[in-house]
Amino acid sequence: SQQGEEDPQALSIQEGENATMNCSYKTSINNLQWYRQNSGRGLVHLILIRSNEREKHSGRLRVTLDTSKKSSSLLITASRAADTASYFCATLTSGSRLTFGEGTQLTVNP
Amino acid sequence: NAGVTQTPKFQVLKTGQSMTLQCAQDMNHEYMSWYRQDPGMGLRLIHYSVGAGITDQGEVPNGYNVSRSTTEDFPLRLLSAAPSQTSVYFCASRPSGWRETQYFGPGTRLLVL
Repeated sequence: SQQGEEDPQALSIQEGENATMNCSYKTSINNLQWYRQNSGRGLVHLILIRSNEREKHSGRLRVTLDTSKKSSSLLITASRAADTASYFCATLTSGSRLTFGEGTQLTVNP
Repeated sequence: NAGVTQTPKFQVLKTGQSMTLQCAQDMNHEYMSWYRQDPGMGLRLIHYSVGAGITDQGEVPNGYNVSRSTTEDFPLRLLSAAPSQTSVYFCASRPSGWRETQYFGPGTRLLVL
């Protein structure tokens, strides 16, 4: 089974609203990463948070990590239509394997 | 730098045929991986390599072989294609170290009839 599981599977919001996606995982990690995938394209790295960090910001992105609950959240503030994409969390374990969740499909309506 | 390149972009195979998906990176990355992505799903790790001459299995290795004779290249071989291998295949690379992020190629769409 997948190491990471995203929630919700799909999210539809209006432009300007905030979008929050959650990720849960099962085993100990070195870091957790979020990726974005536009339809029909490869994945693009967004942000990485290390296991000893609790929160990280990058532009309109805010990521939190709770290792006690084995969960992370990605917040996109002031969303834009161009943010429409699938978002995946991925966890890096001690075995150097990067394991992906099933993704959240975000639709931002103009 | 070209980054991670994959060829072909699209391929149609008949059941039982074999083929090799090519992946190359020009960033001198130690780690390279192959994933498959099925519709509406995340990426599943097929095989990975931590350096030239070293490969290991991921979550779904059956039906695939890999080799890593150089740092730059990491080809994925389908030995005898099956319809269940219809998918989009992504190659990725990253430097060693657990702080490093992964770079993805544009993908190869494979259809097995």
